Amino acid sequence: KNEVEQSPQNLTAQEGEFITINCSYSVGISALHWLQQHPGGGIVSLFMLSSGKKKHGRLIATINIQEKHSSLHITASHPRDSAVYICAVKAAGNKLTFGGGTRVLVKP
Amino acid sequence: DTAVSQTPKYLVTQMGNDKSIKCEQNLGHDTMYWYKQDSKKFLKIMFSYNNKELIINETVPNRFSPKSPDKAHLNLHINSLELGDSAVYFCASSTGLAGPYEQYFGPGTRLTVT
Repeated sequence: KNEVEQSPQNLTAQEGEFITINCSYSVGISALHWLQQHPGGGIVSLFMLSSGKKKHGRLIATINIQEKHSSLHITASHPRDSAVYICAVKAAGNKLTFGGGTRVLVKP
Repeated sequence: DTAVSQTPKYLVTQMGNDKSIKCEQNLGHDTMYWYKQDSKKFLKIMFSYNNKELIINETVPNRFSPKSPDKAHLNLHINSLELGDSAVYFCASSTGLAGPYEQYFGPGTRLTVT
């Protein structure tokens, strides 16, 4: 079992819908990252969290340290949000451990 | 003004060859990383350097050797390439290693071994 589990693995939404991606981890962490990988392959850091909630545009990320769980929400989804979203945690040894990614497809 | 750049973007080579991938960052960061993304799109840390010093060395075959001539560069040399080395390799950098620092990724190098 991977230390970082994401759900769902795949998600299809209609434009405008609210999207939630979940990330659960099993180890103590110092930070959690949400990354976006577009079909072209490039990886962009969306958020880095150690507690609470962060918002950037239509994206919201939350983390519950006690429950070892984080969520990434996309409000008013758009086809350009179609990408793979990856959760990664920074644990012992200062290295990132990655989830398997959630492939999101937003249809117009 | 690319923050983290990698060359080449694509690399096709035959088994047994030796190849290098170069990475440069112009962000003034102290820490650089190499990640491997396999065919199932799963990312995994390979190496991390902090101020030119090797800090993280995962269970990677010793055919893979990172080299950091200065803080801005972290190159990856691969000897005796095997079919299983085919993957996308990402370089990344961050301000430091121990803190909650954001990581900036390069565009990736798709390595195909035939």
